[in-house]
Amino acid sequence: QKEVEQNSGPLSVPEGAIASLNCTYSDRGSQSFFWYRQYSGKSPELIMFIYSNGDKEDGRFTAQLNKASQYVSLLIRDSQPSDSATYLCAAGGEGGKLIFGQGTELSVKP
Amino acid sequence: GAVVSQHPSRVICKSGTSVKIECRSLDFQATTMFWYRQFPKQSLMLMATSNEGSKATYEQGVEKDKFLINHASLTLSTLTVTSAHPEDSSFYICSAPDRQANEKLFFGSGTQLSVL
Repeated sequence: QKEVEQNSGPLSVPEGAIASLNCTYSDRGSQSFFWYRQYSGKSPELIMFIYSNGDKEDGRFTAQLNKASQYVSLLIRDSQPSDSATYLCAAGGEGGKLIFGQGTELSVKP
Repeated sequence: GAVVSQHPSRVICKSGTSVKIECRSLDFQATTMFWYRQFPKQSLMLMATSNEGSKATYEQGVEKDKFLINHASLTLSTLTVTSAHPEDSSFYICSAPDRQANEKLFFGSGTQLSVL
């Protein structure tokens, strides 16, 4: 069974620090990877997507992909209290389906 | 980005009743929509893929007679939870793929279903 694994947390970081969120996936055939942010009671919103090995930066967010290790991460620089949410990692599957991890709860303390 | 509208946002119903949830793509056509369910503190689990003009494709373990999906037009998919029971209480979310990159999903706002 294809799986995406995340540490459920909670991960607590002080304001201004770097938050590091990690994810592993089991299907070597996955070619695309996504990070979604979900606030409590709300639907997920796309933060980053990455298709190629290496780093991809967008503002305070950096996604990292290592296909050999089947590992995806998300770094959030200069963390803010408003970044406090659950972050969902997802791997692309057949027919546009996404397989989601269980999410990591991030808490940024002022 | 594209907008997916989902209604209602919250519904409370009695056990045994049926509940219909609507998902609309507002500014684009969606031949495919995905329906997810999320229990508290858990991940999104794909229930079914809704296909315009044809039958939905259900994931393993999802009862197609209980979760009726209709995708009658290119902008509307509906999920009906029939004979709802308390264990069906969950957060239901629809999504539609980006037509340029179909693995990027646009999510509806979700429906919190509470069955008493």
